[in-house]
Amino acid sequence: NAGVTQTPKFRILKIGQSMTLQCTQDMNHNYMYWYRQDPGMGLKLIYYSVGAGITDKGEVPNGYNVSRSTTEDFPLRLELAAPSQTSVYFCASSSGKDTDTQYFGPGTRLTVL
Amino acid sequence: GEDVEQSLFLSVREGDSSVINCTYTDSSSTYLYWYKQEPGAGLQLLTYIFSNMDMKQDQRLTVLLNKKDKHLSLRIADTQTGDSAIYFCAEKGTGTASKLTFGTGTRLQVTL
Repeated sequence: NAGVTQTPKFRILKIGQSMTLQCTQDMNHNYMYWYRQDPGMGLKLIYYSVGAGITDKGEVPNGYNVSRSTTEDFPLRLELAAPSQTSVYFCASSSGKDTDTQYFGPGTRLTVL
Repeated sequence: GEDVEQSLFLSVREGDSSVINCTYTDSSSTYLYWYKQEPGAGLQLLTYIFSNMDMKQDQRLTVLLNKKDKHLSLRIADTQTGDSAIYFCAEKGTGTASKLTFGTGTRLQVTL
């Protein structure tokens, strides 16, 4: 059982480039989330999804886009990368039931130069 | 909006107990969680407590919740070098999508 997987692990982008961070979960969870973690800070929610075809903005959505065409996948798109988007990005999923624990992927470390 | 605060750093000797504290502002929190992050890794759930509980014990971990003061603590007994990590508390409010609000994390350093 792989849980939540993310690719790539590391990436360096130039200012203005775009890229997609991939996230896949195999737990049949309805809810999925994207967070960013800046040094010395907690996690900030970028976007979330409560099911296929449904997405909504979190706390810091500017500069990002998401889609949820399947239950398993929740890609995060960066358009026109900026140095302020240098961060570690975590994807998470949860069932939405009971304790509703969020399970996290290993993260993608992104540097924008 | 909701806010969760933690101290940034804690250093303890191996074998001692560690106590990591957290305060939060959302009085409608339903669950509160403790996550552990080791270097270069994602967050791993350590334990959680439901908001109508005062205490929860799980092996070396004890969680105390003071709902009146909105204060949460995590006690690690017999702290080991493998416990060195960043510990995040997070609270889940009511509403859809189970959104969590995370604290800034407490870096626990265990010395010999």
